[in-house]
Amino acid sequence: AQSVTQPDIHITVSEGASLELRCNYSYGATPYLFWYVQSPGQGLQLLLKYFSGDTLVQGIKGFEAEFKRSQSSFNLRKPSVHWSDAAEYFCAVGPSGTYKYIFGTGTRLKVLA
Amino acid sequence: EAGVAQSPRYKIIEKRQSVAFWCNPISGHATLYWYQQILGQGPKLLIQFQNNGVVDDSQLPKDRFSAERLKGVDSTLKIQPAKLEDSAVYLCASSLVRGQAPVGTEAFFGQGTRLTVV
Repeated sequence: AQSVTQPDIHITVSEGASLELRCNYSYGATPYLFWYVQSPGQGLQLLLKYFSGDTLVQGIKGFEAEFKRSQSSFNLRKPSVHWSDAAEYFCAVGPSGTYKYIFGTGTRLKVLA
Repeated sequence: EAGVAQSPRYKIIEKRQSVAFWCNPISGHATLYWYQQILGQGPKLLIQFQNNGVVDDSQLPKDRFSAERLKGVDSTLKIQPAKLEDSAVYLCASSLVRGQAPVGTEAFFGQGTRLTVV
């Protein structure tokens, strides 16, 4: 069965520090992969997505993610975190053709001033 | 471009009562999703429509939950009767997908309805 694992429930970083949020997926074929961000009281906003091609994808707000097939991972990175990045981040997998998105449990990011 | 609209934003009901949520997707989006997000968890798909037909409702508790999408546009999700464990945020999303999905299609989410069952 398809699944998404986000091993880190909470992460705290200082403003200006680099960030990496981990995501591992389980799926038989190459999935469509997404990262969404959710601010308190808000819906989910797409940060970036991967379907095929270049395994390093750029997203909005300075985020990037790298697809590593050998590790079944799709980790999210940002070189310098801003206080406004504090939110919850969800990794999701969407099997091609169905667009039935399966979400991980999320990682809550706290940013220290 | 207007986003996905949901109402109400908040709802508090007693257990065994009924409740309904409404969703208006982005204009022209063929696919509509309802997700349930329990506190501390990721969103879980309840039902997926394409136009006004159900694509997937395998995780919808059909003894108490129902959903419809009349005319392939707006959708309503109902719970009757509600249980304490139904307390969650109910998210509606839509995507442009119709038929064979074009690469790059994403789902756009509404702000959600926070339901508290007491």
